[in-house]
Amino acid sequence: DADVTQTPRNRITKTGKRIMLECSQTKGHDRMYWYRQDPGLGLRLIYYSFDVKDINKGEISDGYSVSRQAQAKFSLSLESAIPNQTALYFCATSGGSRSYQETQYFGPGTRLLVL
Amino acid sequence: QKEVEQNSGPLSVPEGAIASLNCTYSDRGSQSFFWYRQYSGKSPELIMSIYSNGDKEDGRFTAQLNKASQYVSLLIRDSQPSDSATYLCAAYGNNRLAFGKGNQVVVIP
Repeated sequence: DADVTQTPRNRITKTGKRIMLECSQTKGHDRMYWYRQDPGLGLRLIYYSFDVKDINKGEISDGYSVSRQAQAKFSLSLESAIPNQTALYFCATSGGSRSYQETQYFGPGTRLLVL
Repeated sequence: QKEVEQNSGPLSVPEGAIASLNCTYSDRGSQSFFWYRQYSGKSPELIMSIYSNGDKEDGRFTAQLNKASQYVSLLIRDSQPSDSATYLCAAYGNNRLAFGKGNQVVVIP
């Protein structure tokens, strides 16, 4: 089984709808991240969490919210989806005593289309 | 200025040749540097990490770091068709990883 899973893998929604993307991990890592990837723009950090009680905004958090339900679960919500949120979304995890040396492990991604 | 810059366009290399990728970063406080490989439609996977000035070799891959010049590079020796992918450079600082836009590498058999 994959260490980092994301559901759904593909989603089509309409403008104004609220949707949730879910991420689960079995790696036992404390740190979890949400990124979006757009052609020509690379990976951009939306939110990150260093433990269950710690949530931090990334570089593009507007229009998104997150919930860290447990060490292993980190969900991303789009409160009112808009077309420019169409992108590939990745969850990632990392763990260890030295955060700057940690490898981030990525989930398979969720492809989101907002009509 | 974007934090991590990868300016080269798609790179085509013959099978067996050396592919050379470059990356610059703007934050002098960046502590560590990573190269990820991403196949089309797939998630990024780590291929190299480097924390100190100099070279680090792992199989056919060599990462080079020059903190004074704020420059990171990746060499792929004996390039194989399976190396055809997009390579993402990343720098860790301020509790987060900043990624470049990536460089596409195409290995021609």
